[in-house]
Amino acid sequence: EADIYQTPRYLVIGTGKKITLECSQTMGHDKMYWYQQDPGMELHLIHYSYGVNSTEKGDLSSESTVSRIRTEHFPLTLESARPSHTSQYLCASSERSGRDTQYFGPGTRLTVL
Amino acid sequence: KNQVEQSPQSLIILEGKNCTLQCNYTVSPFSNLRWYKQDTGRGPVSLTIMTFSENTKSNGRYTATLDADTKQSSLHITASQLSDSASYICVVADRGSTLGRLYFGRGTQLTVWP
Repeated sequence: EADIYQTPRYLVIGTGKKITLECSQTMGHDKMYWYQQDPGMELHLIHYSYGVNSTEKGDLSSESTVSRIRTEHFPLTLESARPSHTSQYLCASSERSGRDTQYFGPGTRLTVL
Repeated sequence: KNQVEQSPQSLIILEGKNCTLQCNYTVSPFSNLRWYKQDTGRGPVSLTIMTFSENTKSNGRYTATLDADTKQSSLHITASQLSDSASYICVVADRGSTLGRLYFGRGTQLTVWP
């Protein structure tokens, strides 16, 4: 079992609300990632980080933002949630490059009404 | 275009039976290929990882094969159990980017019936 945690596991909110999805890992990994996954579809990379104070956008355009102030913490924020943001969000980390095994958290299932 | 295609999309088998899942990819340059298991509502968990020079790797009842020439991989599950019910995702890493870009298949949804 990987030491990577996400909270909340499930979130149902109304349109226009600001939300932050939390992700923490205790493995000391430099690389962290956020993926978005819709049912029956592949994972899409939306953000990644090489280390503290390093964040980059992924392949899938996302209105969310991320921060990396501490090695173990990589939160994702939506300033104004919309129904189109309804999805599963998965956080992952790896020791070195993305080619290394990525360890995934349990995910946050977000529903925006 | 770098892609990963999996088949079948879904599969139902009886407990105790064997099954084989397929993965075809066009990712180049190739670095490695992983199979992940994703239980419903959970994050993916790595089962196997193979590099260019490896053509088979086992993890308990799971055996993965890789043919780098034809760009095909398979995951064979032996003596299936109810707990094998999950989505199995093929993931290919490229060698050409600093990040180590991963390409994900859509997964094969396996259901094991008693």
